[in-house]
Amino acid sequence: EAQVTQNPRYLITVTGKKLTVTCSQNMNHEYMSWYRQDPGLGLRQIYYSMNVEVTDKGDVPEGYKVSRKEKRNFPLILESPSPNQTSLYFCASSLQGFTEAFFGQGTRLTVV
Amino acid sequence: DQQVKQNSPSLSVQEGRISILNCDYTNSMFDYFLWYKKYPAEGPTFLISISSIKDKNEDGRFTVFLNKSAKHLSLHIVPSQPGDSAVYFCAAFNAGGTSYGKLTFGQGTILTVHP
Repeated sequence: EAQVTQNPRYLITVTGKKLTVTCSQNMNHEYMSWYRQDPGLGLRQIYYSMNVEVTDKGDVPEGYKVSRKEKRNFPLILESPSPNQTSLYFCASSLQGFTEAFFGQGTRLTVV
Repeated sequence: DQQVKQNSPSLSVQEGRISILNCDYTNSMFDYFLWYKKYPAEGPTFLISISSIKDKNEDGRFTVFLNKSAKHLSLHIVPSQPGDSAVYFCAAFNAGGTSYGKLTFGQGTILTVHP
């Protein structure tokens, strides 16, 4: 079954404690990206990757890091989380950025 | 600076009628436009897309219209069904220029279809 898998689904953490949200896809897609969803702001792109070892900033990259060492995985790293990073996060993959994207189930992150 | 805007936070229609969701954009470099639907507690799912070289694309009950001169696109759902009740996001992709590869979403419109 074609899918994008994010882990964990829910996470509560404290300010400053490094965390990683994993994302994996099984469709051999070139393009992967991370979004955060906040009330009234819709989905905002954090980072995207057009292929292995190729990553670029989206609209809200501050406070986040990513890596794309292999095609299937695209982890999101928060080196020092802060309360303003409390949000619902989605990972997505597609053949190319302008083609149909498949989204993960989301990760609800709370930073206290 | 919100480059993709959905100015209607919500829309309510009767079952069987037409739903029209609107989206405006400011960046003339956008080449592709997509619509996604999102149910609570799920990730968004793809609905339909359109290239900037077209002005209309249809897929079953869903039609997207693009007016490049007005920098406006709309999604028509005919006939609307209660199962269409969800949040709808439009998105625009920049296939050229310095922001190549970026996908920008609007704020979303909550559609409610009443039986």
